[in-house]
Amino acid sequence: QKEVEQDPGPLSVPEGAIVSLNCTYSNSAFQYFMWYRQYSRKGPELLMYTYSSGNKEDGRFTAQVDKSSKYISLFIRDSQPSDSATYLCAMSEWGSQGNLIFGKGTKLSVKP
Amino acid sequence: DSGVTQTPKHLITATGQRVTLRCSPRSGDLSVYWYQQSLDQGLQFLIQYYNGEERAKGNILERFSAQQFPDLHSELNLSSLELGDSALYFCASTERGTDTQYFGPGTRLTVL
Repeated sequence: QKEVEQDPGPLSVPEGAIVSLNCTYSNSAFQYFMWYRQYSRKGPELLMYTYSSGNKEDGRFTAQVDKSSKYISLFIRDSQPSDSATYLCAMSEWGSQGNLIFGKGTKLSVKP
Repeated sequence: DSGVTQTPKHLITATGQRVTLRCSPRSGDLSVYWYQQSLDQGLQFLIQYYNGEERAKGNILERFSAQQFPDLHSELNLSSLELGDSALYFCASTERGTDTQYFGPGTRLTVL
């Protein structure tokens, strides 16, 4: 079993839809959870960063962490064509200073 | 633009050869991370340097090595290249005092 599992998609939704992206993990020592967005032929960029369990909201994006279920989610409200990208979850035991373990990424396409 | 620069953008070489990838972190960032991204393995952490010293090691092959110079730029050396080394190689740097990793645009390596 891989440490981090992420459905690769692809996921196609109409503009304005609510998108739900998920990752599961096996290492209970993970405490720091991140979501990165990667456009084609670009480097990943940090979208959301959460510590331990709970929710965090930033504009149209909400990150949820459920450590008891070892499950994290990213919700995108009112999705836009510009949200079309690959979304990578990442997690670490010691914050970003440590070894980040990435999911393989989910490719999202938002159709106008 | 993250402020992290990587050269070259593309590299095409033959099996058995040796290449050097270069990374300049954002101004003031002391940490540099190297990652490999392939279709089957996803984004994998290779190695981290902090202010010239190796800080953490991930799934880095013995044929690969890295160093960080006094001006804080870093180089990743890949030798005895194999077809399976074809991938995107990213470096990232961390803003001092935070856990945010900023990724460069990557170097696409093709081994023929």
